[in-house]
Amino acid sequence: DTGVSQNPRHKITKRGQNVTFRCDPISEHNRLYWYRQTLGQGPEFLTYFQNEAQLEKSRLLSDRFSAERPKGSFSTLEIQRTEQGDSAMYLCASRTQQGGTNEKLFFGSGTQLSVL
Amino acid sequence: QKEVEQDPGPLSVPEGAIVSLNCTYSNSAFQYFMWYRQYSRKGPELLMYTYSSGNKEDGRFTAQVDKSSKYISLFIRDSQPSDSATYLCAMSYSSASKIIFGSGTRLSIRP
Repeated sequence: DTGVSQNPRHKITKRGQNVTFRCDPISEHNRLYWYRQTLGQGPEFLTYFQNEAQLEKSRLLSDRFSAERPKGSFSTLEIQRTEQGDSAMYLCASRTQQGGTNEKLFFGSGTQLSVL
Repeated sequence: QKEVEQDPGPLSVPEGAIVSLNCTYSNSAFQYFMWYRQYSRKGPELLMYTYSSGNKEDGRFTAQVDKSSKYISLFIRDSQPSDSATYLCAMSYSSASKIIFGSGTRLSIRP
């Protein structure tokens, strides 16, 4: 499978715990994005990387959220001290910068987080 | 006010009907316009994209952009039950900027 891979697919945690999600983008893609989606809403932008550099982070993103892409390949998204409002689908997407086209963004199947 | 507005539906039509899905937006700086389809418990997949105003056709799908009205549309001809999904409009300011999504319209095609 050469698509965007996200793990785990589901995560149930108790309020106050820390959680970490992993995303493996398509191998030749140098741009990686994290989005959050709640039921009945479209994906909401969280942050994105070009290679290992984090280029933009949403102002809506609490400082409990942190993302890394240490070697410009896979990425992790960590949420500290989880709250019930963090319950959502966390989507990762990637694209290549080649040609400067923005439209071909490939999404993974997401990690569904439930905070009890 | 959200930057991108989309009627959440649900929209239910009989098989074979023409479906019209629409979005409005507030910021005239948007240049790239996209439509994504999302099945339950899956990530969105790109259906159509257009740059600036105009029409684009791909099989049974036609995307239209009217920048003067800040209005975009997706038409689906000869709709099939397999088209049942949530359709998300999306747009961005430039080829390098983040993509901003509408809230999605849930579509159901009745056999």
